[in-house]
Amino acid sequence: EVQLVESGGDLVQPGGSLRLSCVASGFSFSSYWMNWVRQAPGKGPVWVSRIKSDGGGATYADSVKGRFTISRDNAKNTLNLQMSSLRAEDTAMYFCVRDNVAFDIWGRGTMVTVSS
Amino acid sequence: DIVMTQSPDSLALSLGERATINCKSSQSVFYSSNSKNYLAWYQQKPGQPPEMLLYWASTRGSGVPDRFSGSGSGTDFTLTISSLQVEDVAVYYCQQFYSTPPTFGQGTRVEIK
Repeated sequence: EVQLVESGGDLVQPGGSLRLSCVASGFSFSSYWMNWVRQAPGKGPVWVSRIKSDGGGATYADSVKGRFTISRDNAKNTLNLQMSSLRAEDTAMYFCVRDNVAFDIWGRGTMVTVSS
Repeated sequence: DIVMTQSPDSLALSLGERATINCKSSQSVFYSSNSKNYLAWYQQKPGQPPEMLLYWASTRGSGVPDRFSGSGSGTDFTLTISSLQVEDVAVYYCQQFYSTPPTFGQGTRVEIK
């Protein structure tokens, strides 16, 4: 079964840091570009970041550029998102998403809450 | 960034009725070199992640029922549910993947009347 499982979400204070991870199974992880997409409560999805299959070519939404870093370990079938200088507006469910033409496989998400 | 605008924001229909959701992009998402529209549709049920329904504007994803269809080209697109079922209650989003950043519409909530 094709599956993406995120972890690492938590309650964190403004200005804090957090590292999200996503473990892929059931497909050849190293063959696909991967994304992080977030969704604030009651809002629509918003793309955050993308990384190419070989780990190069990372791109970011302007709202997170310079604060978030996407990375992957193809040997461990793992996608990561290092988040720093977190703000209240970063509060959202964060989804790990496979890029296959469109966003064809989504994890169930991990919740990040930024609040004092 | 390409702005995606959906209409209506919500609709309530009876079981078996046809549902039509529109999506307009602020610039064309048609790539002439391969004659494809870089437009996808997603369905999100409460408490679940979005699920891809259609890509290339009209190609159904794996396992998607054929009551879901997509049409349009360039900047104007439509998602049609031919006969609304209880399990179709959800929020539907269009998304362009023509350029970075990929962007989503604001969503259309579909309910049973």
